[in-house]
Amino acid sequence: AQTVTQSQPEMSVQEAETVTLSCTYDTSESDYYLFWYKQPPSRQMILVIRQEAYKQQNATENRFSVNFQKAAKSFSLKISDSQLGDAAMYFCAYTGLFQGAQKLVFGQGTRLTINP
Amino acid sequence: KAGVTQTPRYLIKTRGQQVTLSCSPISGHRSVSWYQQTPGQGLQFLFEYFSETQRNKGNFPGRFSGRQFSNSRSEMNVSTLELGDSALYLCASSFGFPTAYEQYFGPGTRLTVT
Repeated sequence: AQTVTQSQPEMSVQEAETVTLSCTYDTSESDYYLFWYKQPPSRQMILVIRQEAYKQQNATENRFSVNFQKAAKSFSLKISDSQLGDAAMYFCAYTGLFQGAQKLVFGQGTRLTINP
Repeated sequence: KAGVTQTPRYLIKTRGQQVTLSCSPISGHRSVSWYQQTPGQGLQFLFEYFSETQRNKGNFPGRFSGRQFSNSRSEMNVSTLELGDSALYLCASSFGFPTAYEQYFGPGTRLTVT
């Protein structure tokens, strides 16, 4: 079974600085997708960024970028120029490509605090 | 385009009762997945429906069931509620095709069992 591990329950960063959230996963599949979701206090899960395992290039979305290391099964999220609105729970998630269904496996989450 | 909607947003039930939650996906999305979120267990996959068929199921007891209608709207039902069923239930929708794995979540239904 696939597992996702986020080893940092909480992180904090000063506004405008850069922070990196860690995620590791375990799978025997060769093709899969990885995601970072953000869950603010409103509890609405918001997709931040996605990475296809077959792509060597790291995904970027504005201030958000990932460092995808397939061999190490590592998928970290870097947030540049942190803003107060970035404060939230961040979840790393995995889904296999050939499962035939949409089943996300989530990590336990990292609570990110932005200090003004 | 309207997002995923879930009703009701909050629900209080008593042990032993049953409950039905509803989810309307984004227009054009044919896949609807359900997740349970609790402080202790985190986010856990319940099941996924695509074109009215259950394609995958998580490790939950048979008290948890669901269905999907021809318009892609989905309902999940929990029978004989237990205190441990108190959770945030999240619904997510996607196109459901093999290369489109982005799921978009609704605001959730907060279920409290007393």
